[in-house]
Amino acid sequence: GENVEQHPSTLSVQEGDSAVIKCTYSDSASNYFPWYKQELGKGPQLIIDIRSNVGEKKDQRIAVTLNKTAKHFSLHITETQPEDSAVYFCAASLLPRGNYQLIWGAGTKLIIKP
Amino acid sequence: DTEVTQTPKHLVMGMTNKKSLKCEQHMGHRAMYWYKQKAKKPPELMFVYSYEKLSINESVPSRFSPECPNSSLLNLHLHALQPEDSALYLCASSQEDRSSYEQYFGPGTRLTVT
Repeated sequence: GENVEQHPSTLSVQEGDSAVIKCTYSDSASNYFPWYKQELGKGPQLIIDIRSNVGEKKDQRIAVTLNKTAKHFSLHITETQPEDSAVYFCAASLLPRGNYQLIWGAGTKLIIKP
Repeated sequence: DTEVTQTPKHLVMGMTNKKSLKCEQHMGHRAMYWYKQKAKKPPELMFVYSYEKLSINESVPSRFSPECPNSSLLNLHLHALQPEDSALYLCASSQEDRSSYEQYFGPGTRLTVT
């Protein structure tokens, strides 16, 4: 079955610097890759997603890149702020058949140092 | 309104108790989910309801019994739980028309089984 590996497990960056979180998936048929942010005491929240027909997507300070050949996708956060501190999960899915079932990475705890 | 609400926020129950978790959304979503999340782990899918019918049961023990009384409500009935069932239980919902694959999560119920 599909497997998603996520690295690093913890990332500490200085406020204002950039953060990059990387994921690798195993099933080349996967075509939907969301990123969720989970703050303490809250449920996960979608921050950005990308489909396999697109190589990059940006939304203000957040961007996601996808390399289908290498089966890698990455989350980039620029000009990090204290409110970016959270756990970030990548996921993969096969649409439309698997649109309910997200295969999750293990998560990255992002710490923004003031 | 993009909110999924869950009650109670916290629940402590003994192994012989019967309790229920409740979830509600008013976004018109026709897919609703139960997830279990252990500390420092990603959410694990338990059940999916589509148009009020159970469509996915991820081999969850029968001591967990889901119910979808109507399109806005989702319940999880708990009976004879084990201490290892202690976790954060998350409810989520999403559209069924595939215009968006985003899953909206509630804040969760923190369950402790004693």
